[in-house]
Amino acid sequence: EIVMTQSPGTLSVSPGERATLSCRASQSVNSNLAWYQHKSGHAPRLLIYGSSIRAAGIPRRFSGSGSGTEFTLTISSLQSEDFAVYYCQQYEDRLPFTFGGGTKVEIK
Amino acid sequence: QVQLQESGPGLVRPSETLSLNCTVSGYSITSGFYWGWIRQSPAKGLEWIASIALNGNSLYNPSLKNRVTLSEDTSKNQFSLTLRSATAADTAVYYCVRQVPGTLNFDPWGHGMLVTVSS
Repeated sequence: EIVMTQSPGTLSVSPGERATLSCRASQSVNSNLAWYQHKSGHAPRLLIYGSSIRAAGIPRRFSGSGSGTEFTLTISSLQSEDFAVYYCQQYEDRLPFTFGGGTKVEIK
Repeated sequence: QVQLQESGPGLVRPSETLSLNCTVSGYSITSGFYWGWIRQSPAKGLEWIASIALNGNSLYNPSLKNRVTLSEDTSKNQFSLTLRSATAADTAVYYCVRQVPGTLNFDPWGHGMLVTVSS
């Protein structure tokens, strides 16, 4: 099983600032990496797939990068609606699909 | 707009069977994609359970495969999860999801439903 590790566990950021979230895989997943946003009381939402491709309707301030074992989600200028928990997920061609433990982005 | 909604008992007795349904609106489950289940608990975080495609192809988490069955009811545009021999460790919020065959990511998700396994 591929283990996904996210850091930091909690990120305190002021509105308008940049947030950088990290995700590391225990073995290479190539670019088979997705990011999800989860706000309390809402369904989780797909943000990024293929490491860097924004899903439909996702604002340009969200960007993803990386390949192999190291990945980054960047939110260029945090808006109030962006405070949430973010998860990475790998879908390399071996089961099971696995998720990271999440990074909570909170208001500083 | 595709929407998914979980339903079923919120309380299951230990050793019994956990059964959930997912009703899909805005898209026919016969039109492609995988349809699956993910759960979230404090102990294990987000855990993918299994996904089914109506062409007969199914994907299972090896750790749960022996206890899980997926099925679909195309007349109701629903798919279902059955998890046998439930224990307290199966207590979680259960999400139904659509999974894209090519990229294998999950989009969209249902809002989730808490299922507690307790006597």
